[in-house]
Amino acid sequence: GQNIDQPTEMTATEGAIVQINCTYQTSGFNGLFWYQQHAGEAPTFLSYNVLDGLEEKGRFSSFLSRSKGYSYLLLKELQMKDSASYLCAVKDSNYQLIWGAGTKLIIKP
Amino acid sequence: KAGVTQTPRYLIKTRGQQVTLSCSPISGHRSVSWYQQTPGQGLQFLFEYFSETQRNKGNFPGRFSGRQFSNSRSEMNVSTLELGDSALYLCASSQYRGDYGYTFGSGTRLTVV
Repeated sequence: GQNIDQPTEMTATEGAIVQINCTYQTSGFNGLFWYQQHAGEAPTFLSYNVLDGLEEKGRFSSFLSRSKGYSYLLLKELQMKDSASYLCAVKDSNYQLIWGAGTKLIIKP
Repeated sequence: KAGVTQTPRYLIKTRGQQVTLSCSPISGHRSVSWYQQTPGQGLQFLFEYFSETQRNKGNFPGRFSGRQFSNSRSEMNVSTLELGDSALYLCASSQYRGDYGYTFGSGTRLTVV
């Protein structure tokens, strides 16, 4: 079966750095997405990785290792507004998105 | 340009009724996907439409159906509603099946009583 694993919840301090991991087992691979979802709102796009390596976009970076079935989202200089759920999703060989259950990130002052 | 528009935003229905939800994608986007989201369950894939054709379907019963029109707008229908169908229903559009990401609408919150 297809599976995406991410931690259920993480806590970090304002101004710090946090890494959210995602491991996947899917039927084929056509890219990995990270989305941010604030409570009661729609998910918003953060990053898309299709090749191995690190993609940096401001305070957020995303890393992919296809051979290990592994990705992480790195958030630097955490702000209170970063408190949200972070969703990892993989596009499989049929172009279907398989979603993880999401990681709830709690930022403390 | 306008984002993904879902209507209605909120809906209350009784068991046994049927409901139709609408999604208008971003102009130029030809792919529309539908998801069900419940607390603790994450996003569950319902189906994907591209150029008026259903390309993928998730593991939902036949009570859940959808279609896409020539202008890329999509509708989702749920018949014989059950209490367990209460959820946030999200649609997402993309130019071509996810290249460069999907943009989500604000969702329709369906409550079945």
